[in-house]
Amino acid sequence: DGGITQSPKYLFRKEGQNVTLSCEQNLNHDAMYWYRQDPGQGLRLIYYSQIVNDFQKGDIAEGYSVSREKKESFPLTVTSAQKNPTAFYLCASKPPEGGGIQYFGAGTRLSVL
Amino acid sequence: AQRVTQPEKLLSVFKGAPVELKCNYSYSGSPELFWYVQYSRQRLQLLLRHISRESIKGFTADLNKGETSFHLKKPFAQEEDSAMYYCALQTGANNLFFGTGTRLTVIP
Repeated sequence: DGGITQSPKYLFRKEGQNVTLSCEQNLNHDAMYWYRQDPGQGLRLIYYSQIVNDFQKGDIAEGYSVSREKKESFPLTVTSAQKNPTAFYLCASKPPEGGGIQYFGAGTRLSVL
Repeated sequence: AQRVTQPEKLLSVFKGAPVELKCNYSYSGSPELFWYVQYSRQRLQLLLRHISRESIKGFTADLNKGETSFHLKKPFAQEEDSAMYYCALQTGANNLFFGTGTRLTVIP
């Protein structure tokens, strides 16, 4: 089954805890993205990576960190510095010729205990 | 700075009625715009892009540079069109900047 796989589907974070959201793709795409989706606010870009070992901050990077050690993987860590982490997180990737075409994962819903 | 405005958070229409989801943008560069759709329990997916000028699932969208708009239209709404719709602008960094979305409900 090809595409973008996000795990887990649901995640709970305790106060002061860092949690990591997984995003894996087997589409051989260079570019990958993390978005945060909140009701009434649409999708906001957290981080993106155009190529392995390189990533850039998006519009709301504070309190988040990423790594891109492999082409297939782009994990997102929600750190304790993110004071309002409860949201739906979407990972996406883009083909080389994609322009504005992105393929999305099914998402991870993060809640705070 | 770029901006994408979807003025309606919620839109309800009756089945068979025309539907128009509004999108206005602000961007200093040459705009490339997209509509993405998220059906219930499905992934966000591309619906259409202005550059291809195609009709997908009966939907069309025309880029109007004079009015800086990219409204999504369908002449006869169907129940299966009920979904969340996002207008998105491709930025200079080849990233997407999304609007806040419009939830369309088609009433049977």
